Amino acid sequence: RKEVEQDPGPFNVPEGATVAFNCTYSNSASQSFFWYRQDCRKEPKLLMSVYSSGNEDGRFTAQLNRASQYISLLIRDSKLSDSATYLCVVNPVGGSASKIIFGSGTRLSIRP
Amino acid sequence: GAGVSQSPSNKVTEKGKDVELRCDPISGHTALYWYRQSLGQGLEFLIYFQGNSAPDKSGLPSDRFSAERTGGSVSTLTIQRTQQEDSAVYLCASSLTGGRGAPLISDTQYFGPGTRLTVL
Repeated sequence: RKEVEQDPGPFNVPEGATVAFNCTYSNSASQSFFWYRQDCRKEPKLLMSVYSSGNEDGRFTAQLNRASQYISLLIRDSKLSDSATYLCVVNPVGGSASKIIFGSGTRLSIRP
Repeated sequence: GAGVSQSPSNKVTEKGKDVELRCDPISGHTALYWYRQSLGQGLEFLIYFQGNSAPDKSGLPSDRFSAERTGGSVSTLTIQRTQQEDSAVYLCASSLTGGRGAPLISDTQYFGPGTRLTVL
């Protein structure tokens, strides 16, 4: 099993729709979680951190389910500009080195 | 303030040549990461620096790859005797800490624009 797994998509949804996708992780000791977005041929940029209690930033809601070891990202009222690849990031912490693990990403395409 | 910078932005080289890629992290960031990303693929972890030391080199694909960091700042990734399969975008990121018991927000990685390496 991969340490971090995402559905690669693509998710193709109409503008204004609500879309959600999950990311599962295998290391139960994982400490911090993030969603990054990456536009085509650009570097990843932080979208939002994921807090234990869940957090919301405008149209975006991130949640963490420790029992089932997944995080989710919900996008409401999707815009054309939301089209991107969304990378799930998990920091396992601990051990002799700390290595943040990026998922392979979920491609989202918003159509007019 | 300045973000992470990388140079060159593009590099085309012939198979067998050595290349050196440079990363200038955000000032004050102690952790520095190198990744590579092939077209349409996810990020592949290469190496992580905490200060000048590299506690995790597990991602370096072969002994042709090496990296160093001096003064807790600039890092260079060197690829010797390049092969065609080395072609990818090489991304550098920095963060305020290495995530060891640090507050959540300081684990955030900030990426540079990458170096697109093409090996002919």
